[in-house]
Amino acid sequence: GAGVSQSPSNKVTEKGKDVELRCDPISGHTALYWYRQSLGQGLEFLIYFQGNSAPDKSGLPSDRFSAERTGGSVSTLTIQRTQQEDSAVYLCASSSGVRGYFGAGTRLSVL
Amino acid sequence: GESVGLHLPTLSVQEGDNSIINCAYSNSASDYFIWYKQESGKGPQFIIDIRSNMDKRQGQRVTVLLNKTVKHLSLQIAATQPGDSAVYFCAERSGGTSYGKLTFGQGTILTVHP
Repeated sequence: GAGVSQSPSNKVTEKGKDVELRCDPISGHTALYWYRQSLGQGLEFLIYFQGNSAPDKSGLPSDRFSAERTGGSVSTLTIQRTQQEDSAVYLCASSSGVRGYFGAGTRLSVL
Repeated sequence: GESVGLHLPTLSVQEGDNSIINCAYSNSASDYFIWYKQESGKGPQFIIDIRSNMDKRQGQRVTVLLNKTVKHLSLQIAATQPGDSAVYFCAERSGGTSYGKLTFGQGTILTVHP
């Protein structure tokens, strides 16, 4: 596809379960970002991948959160032992320069 | 530091009026700024960008102004339309490389009344 694709679009899980969120960036984009957006709030930076450089993980809120990017393309954000406060929309963006192109996000609900 | 939006400010305008949305950014070393529009249920969409060596840039119905002295960015929307109703975010790039991390400022909810 032409844009950033995220899956699933919605995820409902029980407290304590692990979840994986997927991001397919635009082909050829070397930069990939994950953000979290709680209802009615702004975008909270989580992690940033740039080419083969070590990722900037400074925004990950706890060690329950991790992300990887395989082959410089697809990225997976994993949240272990989910908590209710993890409920939010998780947005992924990719970039070939400066401008970031966003996916529609994954809405995570932790019951 | 990070700019994270909490309790987003709101702006209500009448259709046809001009809108001005403001943003204070945090890093004086940021070299590139972007405005995004986010409609309900969607990811942010690019509107317009500006480099730090400029103070004004115009697009179609939109103008971005940059004041580096006070670290202030504004987005002006001419002849605002109901379809402009959305949340607007500014973002800054820092890092000093060709890429660098995008940090988002506090969003503003724009509501356009017909």
